[in-house]
Amino acid sequence: SAVISQKPSRDICQRGTSLTIQCQVDSQVTMMFWYRQQPGQSLTLIATANQGSEATYESGFVIDKFPISRPNLTFSTLTVSNMSPEDSSIYLCSAQGAVTYNEQFFGPGTRLTVL
Amino acid sequence: AQTVTQSQPEMSVQEAETVTLSCTYDTSESDYYLFWYKQPPSRQMILVIRQEAYKQQNATENRFSVNFQKAAKSFSLKISDSQLGDAAMYFCAYRINFGNEKLTFGTGTRLTIIP
Repeated sequence: SAVISQKPSRDICQRGTSLTIQCQVDSQVTMMFWYRQQPGQSLTLIATANQGSEATYESGFVIDKFPISRPNLTFSTLTVSNMSPEDSSIYLCSAQGAVTYNEQFFGPGTRLTVL
Repeated sequence: AQTVTQSQPEMSVQEAETVTLSCTYDTSESDYYLFWYKQPPSRQMILVIRQEAYKQQNATENRFSVNFQKAAKSFSLKISDSQLGDAAMYFCAYRINFGNEKLTFGTGTRLTIIP
């Protein structure tokens, strides 16, 4: 199985600022994903982070608001831009490996509070 | 579009007893995977069990087993000999086998274990 770490684990930010969340996997993986989990809710996919190309965004999420990078097979970042209180959520990174093709592993999440 | 429905927002069970969590899904695909994930208060998503749609045999993992009814599009989770550590949110999830391997999650069931 893959071990995934995220930084920061939590943050409190001011309205209008941006935060970049880092996701590091301990092995090379084929697919990486970013999910949002609003308080008391289920997980909603923001985008698929593609290595070496632009991320694929789900309906309702745009690159200007959630720019994503994936420079290699073990690392990705998600930026939450121009934040508002509605962006307060847990952001989770997940990965699907070449070997463990049938499983997606999740990071511990980043709890973001926007004031 | 694929949808996953969990009709039980909350469930409770006495310690050492058995509980079943329900999940139904809607898809036009024939080749897919179904998952149950557990999210304890630490918010770490943990894979509990996985079922391949092409397999008729129900998956089991120690005290956890599923009842997979493909024609009815039903995928319930049975937890036997419930333990205090089983207390968590449980999410049912769906993924097609090929193409975009993103997960679609249900709304979750909060399971409480009564000592």
